[in-house]
Amino acid sequence: ETGVTQTPRHLVMGMTNKKSLKCEQHLGHNAMYWYKQSAKKPLELMFVYSLEERVENNSVPSRFSPECPNSSHLFLHLHTLQPEDSALYLCASSPAGVSGDTQYFGPGTRLTVL
Amino acid sequence: TQLLEQSPQFLSIQEGENLTVYCNSSSVFSSLQWYRQEPGEGPVLLVTVVTGGEVKKLKRLTFQFGDARKDSSLHITAAQPGDTGLYLCAGETLGNQFYFGTGTSLTVIP
Repeated sequence: ETGVTQTPRHLVMGMTNKKSLKCEQHLGHNAMYWYKQSAKKPLELMFVYSLEERVENNSVPSRFSPECPNSSHLFLHLHTLQPEDSALYLCASSPAGVSGDTQYFGPGTRLTVL
Repeated sequence: TQLLEQSPQFLSIQEGENLTVYCNSSSVFSSLQWYRQEPGEGPVLLVTVVTGGEVKKLKRLTFQFGDARKDSSLHITAAQPGDTGLYLCAGETLGNQFYFGTGTSLTVIP
């Protein structure tokens, strides 16, 4: 399998649930990203990992917890979410993790919080 | 106020028509990228422009970076239904910050 994969593709959860989103890249890249895409808003960068170290955390609420066990895998752990957290969550990877680096996106996880 | 404003926000045209979408900012960018995102998929990079005034062509798509490197345009000639999607610009500022634009949703009607 090639490129960037994300699972699950769709997720519906209640506000008291705990769930995790998974991202895997098969491109040999060193950096991975989580973005949130909501209707009528620009893509919002949430977290950046470079060589498994978190290098950016853009004021994301603590109910979102990222984990990067190695350079090929990235998780987003979710707990006690709010309905306004419903969105498309996109994972991306890039070769070097520098700003402006070409990013390769996964298909996203469509999250609905009830 | 968004750093990168795209216009129009929505565009619906007939197959065969030409169109231009815009990406504007008051900030200077060292580079600017255009992505297309199809329904149910993530964005895919189309082009990167780095020089003021630069023009790049990708088949029926023409990308231009403004002379002052504050804006960019994407022109599509003879649009096809396969061009349908969300077009996103993204730019790297001189301070090495990376931002996505607000997006233009294009629908090409057969």
